[in-house]
Amino acid sequence: DIQMTQSPSSLSASIGDRVTITCRASQSISMYLNWYQQKPGKAPKFLIYSASSLQSGVPSRFSGSGSGTDFTLTISNLQPEDFATYFCQQSYNVPKTFGQGTKLEIK
Amino acid sequence: EVELVESGGGLVQPGGSLRLSCTASGFSFSTYWMSWVRQAPGKGLEWVANIKEDGSEIHYVDSVKGRFTISRDNAQNSVYLQMNSLRAEDTAVYYCAKDTYSGSSFFDYWGHGILVTVSS
Repeated sequence: DIQMTQSPSSLSASIGDRVTITCRASQSISMYLNWYQQKPGKAPKFLIYSASSLQSGVPSRFSGSGSGTDFTLTISNLQPEDFATYFCQQSYNVPKTFGQGTKLEIK
Repeated sequence: EVELVESGGGLVQPGGSLRLSCTASGFSFSTYWMSWVRQAPGKGLEWVANIKEDGSEIHYVDSVKGRFTISRDNAQNSVYLQMNSLRAEDTAVYYCAKDTYSGSSFFDYWGHGILVTVSS
């Protein structure tokens, strides 16, 4: 199985900041990498697919990059609604595996 | 508007069985893969199983193989998860997700989730 490792596990930031979350795969997954946002008690929300393609309706302050084994999710100009937990997920093969999550908290 | 609604969760004793259902609306159900994803309390997300549009291809995570069965009824716009021989570690919120394959694949819509608690 492909292991997905996110860093950091938690992160504190202020409104207006720019933050970057990293996701590393245990083997090359090309660009088969997705990102999700989850708020407490809610279902995950799909943000980015194929490493860098923004899902329709997702604000442009969210961006993704990377290929192979190393990927990043960047959120620019943090807004109050962005404080949540973020998960990466590989779709290279089954089982489809997720990172352990990065909790973004307000400073 | 896409909507996925799960049902069938609850409290079950270890070794028991439960059947989850997910009813979909707002998209052409029979033309999409569907998945179940779970989240243990306070933990991350774990993909459990998926099923192809016509049910001809199915995959499971190793931890549920031989115990869980995913199925679908395209006439009812529904996907199911039959869970047998349940263990404490199966306790989680179970989400039904639309599993879109378009070059890549991703879970673009999720249900609200249903809690399954395995405890004596």
